[in-house]
Formats: sequence, C-alpha cells, structure tokens
Amino acid sequence: KNEVEQSPQNLTAQEGEFITINCSYSVGISALHWLQQHPGGGIVSLFMLSSGKKKHGRLIATINIQEKHSSLHITASHPRDSAVYICAVLRSGTYKYIFGTGTRLKVLA
Amino acid sequence: DSGVTQTPKHLITATGQRVTLRCSPRSGDLSVYWYQQSLDQGLQFLIQYYNGEERAKGNILERFSAQQFPDLHSELNLSSLELGDSALYFCASSGQGAGELFFGEGSRLTVL
Repeated sequence: KNEVEQSPQNLTAQEGEFITINCSYSVGISALHWLQQHPGGGIVSLFMLSSGKKKHGRLIATINIQEKHSSLHITASHPRDSAVYICAVLRSGTYKYIFGTGTRLKVLA
Repeated sequence: DSGVTQTPKHLITATGQRVTLRCSPRSGDLSVYWYQQSLDQGLQFLIQYYNGEERAKGNILERFSAQQFPDLHSELNLSSLELGDSALYFCASSGQGAGELFFGEGSRLTVL
C-alpha cells in the first residue's frame, strides 16, 4: 500500500462544477503540498499546509492532521484547470518527500 | 516563471553513456531537490541538498550522484544509463526545509 494515496485517479467534470480531490497518508508529516502539473509537464506548487485551511482564488485546500487526510477543492471549475494534481507530504523528522500518484482532471467546456 | 532554471531541456543519449543535468535554484534558496518522473510512475524523490550538504536521500540509484556547489547550483550525474532511466528529471528549490517548493521546467532524458 502506498504511503500517500490520492482519489480519484481520474476525474472528468463539466465547466462550473465543484471539484474535490482527496489525499490520504499513513505516515507522520510536517507539511503537505498540493502541486499542479500541466500537460506540458511544468509543475507549480499550489499550497503548502501544516494545519487548517488555505484559499487562493478558486482553490481551497484543507488538512486534518488527526485523520491524516487533505482535500483540494476547485470551485467554478474551468477548462484551464485541466491538469494532474499531486499531493506530496514531507515525512516528519526527515527532509524526504513522498508523492501521491496524482489525480488527472479534465474539465470540459 | 518559477525562478528555477534547468538545463538541458531535452537530452537524447545511448545506453551506457553518462549525462549531467544542471539546476540553478531561485535566488536566495538554499535547498535543492531532485525528482524523477517516469512514464509509468509518479514523481519520485531522489535527493536533497541544503547549502552544499546532502540532507536527504530518496530512491536514488547508485549509478546516480549529485552535488551542490558553493554558488548553490546543483548537478545530477547519471551514469551507465539504461533504457529505464528515460524520464523527466525535475529540480525544485525552497528557502527552508518545509517551505514552498519552486520547480524548474524539467529535463527530459531519452535513453536509446
């Protein structure tokens, strides 16, 4: 079993829909990152979380440390949100990152 | 533009050869991370350097090595290349151990 699991693996949505991507992890962490990788391959860091909730534009990220779970929400989705979203955790007491396998999102116009 | 520069962007070479990938971190960032992304796998953490010292090692093969120089740029050396080493290699930098990560555009290595 992977130490970081994401769901769903693939997601197709209609423009305007509210989207949730989930990340569960089984190790102690000191931080969790949500990354976005566009079809061209470039990776952008969306959020870094250690507790609570963060919001940036139409994106919201939450983390529940006790439940070892994080969610990334996209409100009013748009075709330009189509990308792979990757959850990455920084293992406690180390500087090692563990990555989820990603969620491939396609938003249709 | 993340501020992280990776060269070369594309590289095609043959099995058994050796290549060097280069990364210049964002100005002021002391940490450099290297990752490998193969077609059939997600991102895999390889190694991290902080201010010239190795700080963490992930799933890095013995045929691979890296270093960070006094000017903070880093190089990833891949030797005795195999077909399975074909991948995208990303470099990222951050200011502190758990800070925001800034990724370069990646170096796409094809081993024929």
